[in-house]
Amino acid sequence: QVQLQESGPGLVKPSQTLSVTCTVSGGSISSGGFYWNWIRQLPGKGLEWIGYVSSSGNTYYSPSLRSRASISMDTSANQFSLRLRSVTAADTAVYFCAREEIRSETAERPYPWFDPWGQGTLVAVSS
Amino acid sequence: SSELTQDPAVSVALGQTVRMTCQGDSLRSYYASWYQQKPGQAPVLVLYGRNKRPSGMPDRFSGLSFGNTASLTITGVQAEDEADYYCNSRDTSGNHVVFGGGTKLTV
Repeated sequence: QVQLQESGPGLVKPSQTLSVTCTVSGGSISSGGFYWNWIRQLPGKGLEWIGYVSSSGNTYYSPSLRSRASISMDTSANQFSLRLRSVTAADTAVYFCAREEIRSETAERPYPWFDPWGQGTLVAVSS
Repeated sequence: SSELTQDPAVSVALGQTVRMTCQGDSLRSYYASWYQQKPGQAPVLVLYGRNKRPSGMPDRFSGLSFGNTASLTITGVQAEDEADYYCNSRDTSGNHVVFGGGTKLTV
């Protein structure tokens, strides 16, 4: 059973770079067909997609965060990481990692879903 | 299009049936998935594809999809179903992930 675990600094100063890592256990992140995602949740708000790295190494980002976000994978450590540059207090959030899979069946639309999720790590941006 | 729209809140009496909806152009191209999130916890997958439930998810959760709208129905609502519910899919390009704004279910 695949499990995901985030780790992060807890506190980052404004204008610095936020770095969080997701460690995957129970399966390889280079196994084909999965997308390894970062999602955040600002205090009291909904889920906001940040971006993903596919098992083949391709990356896509939310248009609103593309200029500051970078997602990479370390297959030797079975981890993937998010770096978010030039942070402000508005980046204070719980950061979740999650595995996405997409399947399709004959004559049906594709269906994506996220499972499993990590438990989330709170990163506060403050001086 | 990159938006999924959900009603902000809905309330239901214990044991009754509630339906939540999710609308967006991309739902004509992709099925939605649904997540339950309780305070202080990570989201949990409730439903995906054409009415598929993950192992262990009660069968009181069911889904429908038609046109640009997906719905999640809880039949015989239990107190533990009180939570925020989010829908999710890919956008019309297929490259980006989209989430609805969430529906707060009060029992």
